[in-house]
Amino acid sequence: AQTVTQSQPEMSVQEAETVTLSCTYDTSESDYYLFWYKQPPSRQMILVIRQEAYKQQNATENRFSVNFQKAAKSFSLKISDSQLGDAAMYFCAYRSDPSMNNNAGNMLTFGGGTRLMVKP
Amino acid sequence: DTGVSQDPRHKITKRGQNVTFRCDPISEHNRLYWYRQTLGQGPEFLTYFQNEAQLEKSRLLSDRFSAERPKGSFSTLEIQRTEQGDSAMYLCASSLGVGVQETQYFGPGTRLLVL
Repeated sequence: AQTVTQSQPEMSVQEAETVTLSCTYDTSESDYYLFWYKQPPSRQMILVIRQEAYKQQNATENRFSVNFQKAAKSFSLKISDSQLGDAAMYFCAYRSDPSMNNNAGNMLTFGGGTRLMVKP
Repeated sequence: DTGVSQDPRHKITKRGQNVTFRCDPISEHNRLYWYRQTLGQGPEFLTYFQNEAQLEKSRLLSDRFSAERPKGSFSTLEIQRTEQGDSAMYLCASSLGVGVQETQYFGPGTRLLVL
């Protein structure tokens, strides 16, 4: 079974600065997908960014980018130019490659989350 | 596209009562997932439907839990004889399973409190 670990329960960043959230995972699979989801207070979870394990290039979405280290099983999220609206819980998640197991195992395995606070 | 909706948003019940939650996925999404999220934790997978077929169930889904997705549209999650340990946020997500480019879109959740 896969596990996802987020070792930082809380992080704080000054508005306009950069912050990096850590995530490590454990798997014996070679093909998989990694995600960062954002869950604002009392609001629904939304996808921030995704990374395919077979891609060496790190994914980027505007101010959000990842540092994917497959050998180290590490998947960190960097938020540049932090904004007040970035304050939320951030969850790292893992998903197996469904093409490898007859489309079973499409569920996401989440880490415990990191609460990000943004100071004005 | 109105997003994934869940009803009710909040439910308070007494121990031993039965509760039922509803999830309406994004139109035409063929996959639907239920997750449970306890306070301060990440969501945990409960069960998964592809169209009307329930394809996977977590060991977390005890025999007091049952889920259905009649006609492959909305889904219901029923908890019988609720226990205080069932208190959690129940999240529904849907996706359009096309190849491997699948993104799960989450609803706002139903927060359950068992007294």
